[in-house]
Amino acid sequence: DVKVTQSSRYLVKRTGEKVFLECVQDMDHENMFWYRQDPGLGLRLIYFSYDVKMKEKGDIPEGYSVSREKKERFSLILESASTNQTSMYLCASSYPGQTYEQYFGPGTRLTVT
Amino acid sequence: QKEVEQNSGPLSVPEGAIASLNCTYSDRVSQSFFWYRQYSGKSPELIMSIYSNGDKEDGRFTAQLNKASQYVSLLIRDSQPSDSATYLCAAQNSGSARQLTFGSGTQLTVLP
Repeated sequence: DVKVTQSSRYLVKRTGEKVFLECVQDMDHENMFWYRQDPGLGLRLIYFSYDVKMKEKGDIPEGYSVSREKKERFSLILESASTNQTSMYLCASSYPGQTYEQYFGPGTRLTVT
Repeated sequence: QKEVEQNSGPLSVPEGAIASLNCTYSDRVSQSFFWYRQYSGKSPELIMSIYSNGDKEDGRFTAQLNKASQYVSLLIRDSQPSDSATYLCAAQNSGSARQLTFGSGTQLTVLP
């Protein structure tokens, strides 16, 4: 079974803090993704990575950066957290097989106060 | 802007009935499509993928794809209360990591 883990289930941070969200997958997947999910807006892609040190912007990258130094780990960084970044953050990974199915971690609910 | 639209719901069906969930997509280049189930407070769980026109069956679930109409559907036969969840449709694009574009989801409630 694919296992994608995220460092925290719940996180509360203050406005202006630097926030790190960590994601680890144990299936040697090439591709990793960060999404945020908000009521009424669905899942939106923030950043993704298709190889170590390779990254591309998704649909809503503003205010975020990412790091992928090792294949199994993909970090999302909020340089200066703001209240509009309060959301559920979901990490996913996929393998470039026939259909590139994505598997999700449990999510981190981040509250910025 | 690539879009995936789902019937907004919420959808309620009685236990044992067939639940029908629908999805349309705008990007004709999309080749593969996915249905995820998401229980409240949980992350999405992959239940079906489909990339050929026609039907694909897996247990009580049937995914249907019509590329000419840009339409994907999911049928759940013999619906159970445990099927109550939000169902997300996703279309895969041709980018470097085959990114997904998700619909906003349809909330399904199966009434006992």
